[in-house]
Amino acid sequence: EDQVTQSPEALRLQEGESSSLNCSYTVSGLRGLFWYRQDPGKGPEFLFTLYSAGEEKEKERLKATLTKKESFLHITAPKPEDSATYLCAVQINSGNTPLVFGKGTRLSVIA
Amino acid sequence: GAGVSQSPSNKVTEKGKDVELRCDPISGHTALYWYRQSLGQGLEFLIYFQGNSAPDKSGLPSDRFSAERTGGSVSTLTIQRTQQEDSAVYLCASSLVWQANTEAFFGQGTRLTVV
Repeated sequence: EDQVTQSPEALRLQEGESSSLNCSYTVSGLRGLFWYRQDPGKGPEFLFTLYSAGEEKEKERLKATLTKKESFLHITAPKPEDSATYLCAVQINSGNTPLVFGKGTRLSVIA
Repeated sequence: GAGVSQSPSNKVTEKGKDVELRCDPISGHTALYWYRQSLGQGLEFLIYFQGNSAPDKSGLPSDRFSAERTGGSVSTLTIQRTQQEDSAVYLCASSLVWQANTEAFFGQGTRLTVV
């Protein structure tokens, strides 16, 4: 069964304290891995897509990386406005399957 | 439209009543998806459309759930005889095409509360 596991479930950081969120996956043929940000009461907002091991993408204070088994979302010098739930999702090659999401990591950045 | 629009934003209904949730995708997007998000849980896939066709309905939780899409645009998710366990946020997303490595854009969701 295809699985996506995110850790930690919740993370509390001081402003400026860099850290990483993890997304590990067990799928039969990865087509793409997606990162989304979700603010309370809103739908997920697309951040990145990664397709192959070794790939990296950056946006402001966020950098996403991908290996054959997991992805990391690195947050450098976070600010309070980075507080949100970060969701990881995978898309597999076979069949008519949609994005499979992890449960997310709730990030709180304290000023 | 500029983004995916869902209505209503919030819906409180009595147990046993039917509800309809509406999704208006981004103009030109052929693929449309419905997900459900319960408190503390990940996004649970319900159904997707390629154009007006839903090739796989196996993600729908029960036969009380149905969905349709007309004109390759607006979609409606209908829940009949609602139960308390149906309470959740229902999210709709659309993408330019099905799969093909295209990202999905989400609406703000409909929060359904069954009392």
